Amino acid sequence: EIVMTQSPATLSVSPGERATLSCRASQSVSSNLAWYQQKPGQAPRLLIYGASTRATGIPARFSGSGSGTEFSLTISSLQSEDFAVYYCHQYNNWPRGTFGQGTKVEVK
Amino acid sequence: EVQLLESGGDLTQPGGSLRLSCAASGFAFSSFAMGWVRQAPGGGLEWVSGITGSGVSTFHADSVRGRFTISRDNSKNTLFLQMSSLRAEDTARYYCAKYGDVFTGYHVDIWGRGTQVTV
Repeated sequence: EIVMTQSPATLSVSPGERATLSCRASQSVSSNLAWYQQKPGQAPRLLIYGASTRATGIPARFSGSGSGTEFSLTISSLQSEDFAVYYCHQYNNWPRGTFGQGTKVEVK
Repeated sequence: EVQLLESGGDLTQPGGSLRLSCAASGFAFSSFAMGWVRQAPGGGLEWVSGITGSGVSTFHADSVRGRFTISRDNSKNTLFLQMSSLRAEDTARYYCAKYGDVFTGYHVDIWGRGTQVTV
Protein backbone atom coordinates (compact mmCIF):
# COMPACT_ATOMS: atom_id res chain seq x y z
CA GLU A 1 0.00 0.00 0.00
CA ILE A 2 1.23 3.48 -0.87
CA VAL A 3 1.29 5.61 2.27
CA MET A 4 0.58 9.32 1.91
CA THR A 5 1.96 11.61 4.62
CA GLN A 6 0.77 15.20 4.91
CA SER A 7 2.46 17.99 6.82
CA PRO A 8 1.87 19.89 8.91
CA ALA A 9 -1.16 18.41 10.66
CA THR A 10 -2.38 21.92 11.46
CA LEU A 11 -1.42 25.18 9.78
CA SER A 12 -2.30 28.47 11.46
CA VAL A 13 -2.51 31.30 8.94
CA SER A 14 -3.89 34.84 8.94
CA PRO A 15 -6.38 35.85 6.21
CA GLY A 16 -4.53 37.23 3.21
CA GLU A 17 -1.40 35.24 3.92
CA ARG A 18 0.07 32.45 1.83
CA ALA A 19 -0.30 28.81 2.89
CA THR A 20 1.74 25.88 1.64
CA LEU A 21 0.71 22.30 2.41
CA SER A 22 2.91 19.27 1.75
CA CYS A 23 2.18 15.68 0.81
CA ARG A 24 4.73 12.89 0.48
CA ALA A 25 4.18 9.45 -1.06
CA SER A 26 6.00 6.34 0.16
CA GLN A 27 6.76 5.48 -3.48
CA SER A 28 6.39 7.27 -6.78
CA VAL A 29 2.84 8.05 -7.90
CA SER A 30 3.95 9.97 -10.99
CA SER A 31 1.53 12.91 -11.33
CA ASN A 32 -1.49 10.91 -10.20
CA LEU A 33 -2.17 13.13 -7.22
CA ALA A 34 -5.29 15.09 -6.27
CA TRP A 35 -6.13 17.58 -3.54
CA TYR A 36 -9.53 17.93 -1.88
CA GLN A 37 -10.98 20.51 0.48
CA GLN A 38 -13.44 19.49 3.19
CA LYS A 39 -15.41 21.86 5.40
CA PRO A 40 -17.22 20.72 8.56
CA GLY A 41 -20.37 18.77 7.77
CA GLN A 42 -19.66 18.74 4.04
CA ALA A 43 -18.35 16.25 1.52
CA PRO A 44 -14.85 16.69 0.13
CA ARG A 45 -14.51 18.88 -2.96
CA LEU A 46 -11.98 18.36 -5.72
CA LEU A 47 -9.47 21.21 -6.03
CA ILE A 48 -6.53 19.87 -8.01
CA TYR A 49 -5.89 16.73 -10.08
CA GLY A 50 -2.91 15.55 -12.08
CA ALA A 51 -0.82 17.23 -9.37
CA SER A 52 -1.28 20.70 -10.88
CA THR A 53 -4.54 21.02 -12.84
CA ARG A 54 -7.25 23.06 -11.17
CA ALA A 55 -10.71 21.52 -11.24
CA THR A 56 -13.58 23.41 -12.83
CA GLY A 57 -14.56 26.49 -10.87
CA ILE A 58 -11.57 26.46 -8.52
CA PRO A 59 -10.07 29.93 -7.98
CA ALA A 60 -6.61 30.68 -9.32
CA ARG A 61 -5.29 31.28 -5.79
CA PHE A 62 -5.12 27.48 -5.46
CA SER A 63 -2.13 25.86 -7.15
CA GLY A 64 -0.54 22.43 -7.02
CA SER A 65 2.93 21.24 -7.85
CA GLY A 66 5.21 18.24 -7.65
CA SER A 67 5.62 14.78 -9.12
CA GLY A 68 6.93 11.41 -8.03
CA THR A 69 6.86 11.46 -4.25
CA GLU A 70 6.80 15.13 -3.25
CA PHE A 71 3.79 17.39 -3.75
CA SER A 72 2.51 20.70 -2.48
CA LEU A 73 -0.68 22.73 -2.48
CA THR A 74 -0.36 26.51 -2.24
CA ILE A 75 -3.10 28.96 -1.43
CA SER A 76 -1.68 32.32 -2.44
CA SER A 77 -3.88 34.59 -0.31
CA LEU A 78 -6.16 32.90 2.16
CA GLN A 79 -9.78 33.92 2.12
CA SER A 80 -12.23 33.27 4.97
CA GLU A 81 -13.86 30.44 3.01
CA ASP A 82 -10.53 28.61 2.63
CA PHE A 83 -10.23 27.59 6.28
CA ALA A 84 -10.88 23.86 6.10
CA VAL A 85 -9.19 20.47 6.05
CA TYR A 86 -7.22 19.52 2.94
CA TYR A 87 -6.49 15.96 1.83
CA CYS A 88 -4.10 14.65 -0.79
CA HIS A 89 -5.00 11.48 -2.68
CA GLN A 90 -2.85 9.26 -4.86
CA TYR A 91 -4.67 7.33 -7.57
CA ASN A 92 -1.65 5.86 -9.33
CA ASN A 93 -2.77 2.33 -8.47
CA TRP A 94 -6.49 2.85 -9.00
CA PRO A 95 -8.80 1.75 -7.51
CA ARG A 96 -6.63 1.24 -4.44
CA GLY A 97 -6.00 4.93 -4.02
CA THR A 98 -4.89 6.18 -0.66
CA PHE A 99 -5.41 9.46 1.13
CA GLY A 100 -3.23 11.51 3.39
CA GLN A 101 -4.38 12.08 6.95
CA GLY A 102 -5.27 15.70 6.23
CA THR A 103 -3.99 19.19 7.04
CA LYS A 104 -6.27 21.54 8.93
CA VAL A 105 -5.86 25.18 7.91
CA GLU A 106 -7.06 27.35 10.77
CA VAL A 107 -7.24 31.04 11.51
CA LYS A 108 -4.17 32.39 13.27
CA GLU B 1 -25.98 19.21 -12.98
CA VAL B 2 -23.90 16.21 -11.96
CA GLN B 3 -25.27 14.79 -8.73
CA LEU B 4 -24.82 11.75 -6.48
CA LEU B 5 -27.40 11.04 -3.80
CA GLU B 6 -26.74 8.32 -1.24
CA SER B 7 -29.29 6.53 0.91
CA GLY B 8 -29.56 3.46 3.10
CA GLY B 9 -27.40 4.40 6.05
CA ASP B 10 -28.75 3.46 9.48
CA LEU B 11 -28.01 2.39 13.06
CA THR B 12 -27.49 -1.36 13.26
CA GLN B 13 -26.07 -4.03 15.56
CA PRO B 14 -22.71 -5.78 15.14
CA GLY B 15 -23.14 -8.66 12.73
CA GLY B 16 -25.95 -6.89 10.92
CA SER B 17 -26.37 -5.97 7.26
CA LEU B 18 -27.16 -2.83 5.32
CA ARG B 19 -27.48 -1.93 1.65
CA LEU B 20 -26.36 1.51 0.56
CA SER B 21 -27.56 3.06 -2.69
CA CYS B 22 -26.28 5.98 -4.73
CA ALA B 23 -28.51 7.55 -7.37
CA ALA B 24 -26.51 9.30 -10.09
CA SER B 25 -27.68 11.99 -12.47
CA GLY B 26 -26.29 14.50 -14.92
CA PHE B 27 -23.67 12.33 -16.60
CA ALA B 28 -23.29 9.12 -18.65
CA PHE B 29 -23.27 6.80 -15.64
CA SER B 30 -22.20 3.62 -17.43
CA SER B 31 -19.13 5.35 -18.86
CA PHE B 32 -17.47 5.99 -15.52
CA ALA B 33 -15.95 3.94 -12.74
CA MET B 34 -17.56 4.52 -9.37
CA GLY B 35 -16.66 3.80 -5.79
CA TRP B 36 -17.32 4.18 -2.09
CA VAL B 37 -15.09 6.12 0.31
CA ARG B 38 -15.76 6.28 4.04
CA GLN B 39 -14.83 8.62 6.86
CA ALA B 40 -14.94 7.53 10.47
CA PRO B 41 -16.00 10.14 13.07
CA GLY B 42 -13.25 12.73 13.34
CA GLY B 43 -11.09 10.71 10.97
CA GLY B 44 -9.68 10.82 7.49
CA LEU B 45 -10.80 9.36 4.19
CA GLU B 46 -10.56 5.63 3.43
CA TRP B 47 -11.23 3.98 0.09
CA VAL B 48 -13.68 1.08 0.51
CA SER B 49 -14.72 -0.31 -2.88
CA GLY B 50 -14.53 0.42 -6.59
CA ILE B 51 -16.25 -0.81 -9.76
CA THR B 52 -15.60 -0.30 -13.46
CA GLY B 53 -18.16 1.38 -15.71
CA SER B 54 -19.41 -1.91 -17.12
CA GLY B 55 -19.62 -3.47 -13.67
CA VAL B 56 -17.49 -6.42 -14.79
CA SER B 57 -14.61 -5.68 -12.42
CA THR B 58 -14.98 -4.95 -8.72
CA PHE B 59 -12.44 -4.18 -6.03
CA HIS B 60 -12.55 -4.01 -2.25
CA ALA B 61 -10.22 -2.84 0.49
CA ASP B 62 -8.72 -5.60 2.61
CA SER B 63 -10.65 -4.30 5.62
CA VAL B 64 -14.01 -5.11 3.99
CA ARG B 65 -13.22 -7.89 1.54
CA GLY B 66 -15.56 -10.85 2.00
CA ARG B 67 -18.07 -8.70 3.91
CA PHE B 68 -18.94 -5.88 1.49
CA THR B 69 -19.97 -6.16 -2.17
CA ILE B 70 -20.12 -3.29 -4.64
CA SER B 71 -22.43 -3.47 -7.64
CA ARG B 72 -24.23 -1.19 -10.08
CA ASP B 73 -27.36 -1.10 -12.19
CA ASN B 74 -26.53 0.96 -15.26
CA SER B 75 -30.15 0.83 -16.47
CA LYS B 76 -31.14 2.71 -13.30
CA ASN B 77 -28.01 4.86 -12.89
CA THR B 78 -27.54 3.46 -9.39
CA LEU B 79 -24.54 2.25 -7.42
CA PHE B 80 -24.87 -0.12 -4.47
CA LEU B 81 -22.84 -1.32 -1.51
CA GLN B 82 -24.07 -4.46 0.22
CA MET B 83 -22.61 -4.57 3.71
CA SER B 84 -22.77 -7.65 5.94
CA SER B 85 -21.11 -8.89 9.14
CA LEU B 86 -20.85 -5.26 10.19
CA ARG B 87 -18.40 -4.32 12.92
CA ALA B 88 -18.08 -1.31 15.20
CA GLU B 89 -15.08 -0.17 13.17
CA ASP B 90 -17.30 0.12 10.07
CA THR B 91 -19.02 3.10 11.71
CA ALA B 92 -18.48 6.00 9.30
CA ARG B 93 -20.03 8.31 6.81
CA TYR B 94 -20.02 6.57 3.44
CA TYR B 95 -19.52 8.72 0.35
CA CYS B 96 -20.42 7.72 -3.18
CA ALA B 97 -17.63 8.73 -5.54
CA LYS B 98 -17.46 9.26 -9.29
CA TYR B 99 -14.04 8.78 -10.80
CA GLY B 100 -12.48 10.59 -13.73
CA ASP B 101 -11.46 8.78 -16.87
CA VAL B 102 -8.41 7.57 -18.76
CA PHE B 103 -7.84 11.08 -20.14
CA THR B 104 -8.08 13.09 -16.93
CA GLY B 105 -7.06 10.40 -14.47
CA TYR B 106 -8.87 8.33 -11.88
CA HIS B 107 -9.25 10.90 -9.14
CA VAL B 108 -12.64 11.45 -7.53
CA ASP B 109 -14.17 14.35 -9.40
CA ILE B 110 -17.64 14.22 -7.86
CA TRP B 111 -18.62 13.30 -4.28
CA GLY B 112 -22.07 12.61 -2.87
CA ARG B 113 -23.12 14.14 0.45
CA GLY B 114 -22.74 10.80 2.20
CA THR B 115 -24.89 8.51 4.31
CA GLN B 116 -24.18 7.65 7.95
CA VAL B 117 -23.65 4.05 9.04
CA THR B 118 -23.47 3.42 12.79
CA VAL B 119 -22.70 -0.06 14.13
